[in-house]
Formats: sequence, structure tokens, C-alpha cells
Amino acid sequence: DAGVIQSPRHEVTEMGQEVTLRCKPISGHNSLFWYRQTMMRGLELLIYFNNNVPIDDSGMPEDRFSAKMPNASFSTLKIQPSEPRDSAVYFCASKGQGLYEQYFGPGTRLTVT
Amino acid sequence: GENVEQHPSTLSVQEGDSAVIKCTYSDSASNYFPWYKQELGKRPQLIIDIRSNVGEKKDQRIAVTLNKTAKHFSLHITETQPEDSAVYFCAASGANDYKLSFGAGTTVTVRA
Repeated sequence: DAGVIQSPRHEVTEMGQEVTLRCKPISGHNSLFWYRQTMMRGLELLIYFNNNVPIDDSGMPEDRFSAKMPNASFSTLKIQPSEPRDSAVYFCASKGQGLYEQYFGPGTRLTVT
Repeated sequence: GENVEQHPSTLSVQEGDSAVIKCTYSDSASNYFPWYKQELGKRPQLIIDIRSNVGEKKDQRIAVTLNKTAKHFSLHITETQPEDSAVYFCAASGANDYKLSFGAGTTVTVRA
């Protein structure tokens, strides 16, 4: 099993640019979670999908953030326009139906200058 | 929503000694409590978890205990080794959804 795959692993961009982070969940998993990790705020859940449908996006910080899951094997998190305070590590995690265990991807380290 | 508090924020132990990390949660409906280990620059990795119908669970040198009445749970690491040095996160999840609320993390350093 390849595990959760995220790309890119590192992203450096200038303020105002659009950023798109990508995630491929573990095959067969039907729930996908996007988290953000910073020193100040720790690990925060941004949004999660169940069977490709967004269930809870209450953690999305503002309208500049959007997430999609067009199919069971792909999700994106987009930030437009990006700001320096968006600098963080963004993790994607997935879990199987009826199970509780969430498995994290390697993360994308985003730096906005 | 669920609020998880974790203590201590840092913990330094001598190799071979035990380490204990404690967490409390606010939502009495929470029923799943995982622990994650995160090494520097790496992803959080699930090391052990416990459901609300169980009071204790062990896996080799690590164990987790749960007190539902008091709404707290703990991670115990025995015979600590240098490779146990990492940040450990506790989390809690409710009965009606699978959202994980994480504690702030404990940085464990095992001194050789």
C-alpha cells in the first residue's frame, strides 16, 4: 500500500499567488481530511469529506481557502490569494469506512513570502 | 465542539525510565482516543488508540488508559529509548462524526 500521497512536498510562493495542494488517499478509504499544522495553533482540521462530499468545513479559515474532491482518489486544497500567515504544513489524512483510524500523508510545507 | 488539553508540553526522561502524558477532553460523547507520534519533519503516525468501551490497552512498551467518568486519558511509555524522542499528540473523536480534535502536543526527549 502506497499510503496517502501528497504533492508538492514543498511549495514556496509569493503573497497573492494561487496555491493548489493535492492529495491521493489510501485506496479504498472513503473519508479524507485536510489539516494545517503551525507552531502557534497546532494541528487544526480544515475540512473533511465522506464519500467525496464535504461534511464539515467549519475549520476553513476564510473564503480564500477552498477544497474539492472530484472523485474517490483525488482531492485539492486551494488558497487564492495566498498570504504569509498561510505558511504552514498542510496534511491530508484518510480513513476507511466504519473505521476510526486516520492515516496521514507526508504533508506539504507551504511558505508564502 | 470538543476541546482537548494535553500535559505536560515538554518531558525529559532518562533512558530506561517511564514517560506519562495526560490529556483531558470536554465532550462526554467522545468515544475514540488515538495517540500520534511525530518525529521532526515527518507526518503524525498513529501508535495506539482506545475506544470508550475499554479502560486500558497495551502494545509492547506503550499503553493507554481511559477514565470516562473523569474524561481523561493517558499514554504510558515504559523502558524509554532514544528513538522514543518525538512530539506526541493525543486526540478525541465524537460518536457522530470522525473529526479529530488534537491536543497541543508533548515534546518527549529521552536522554541517553
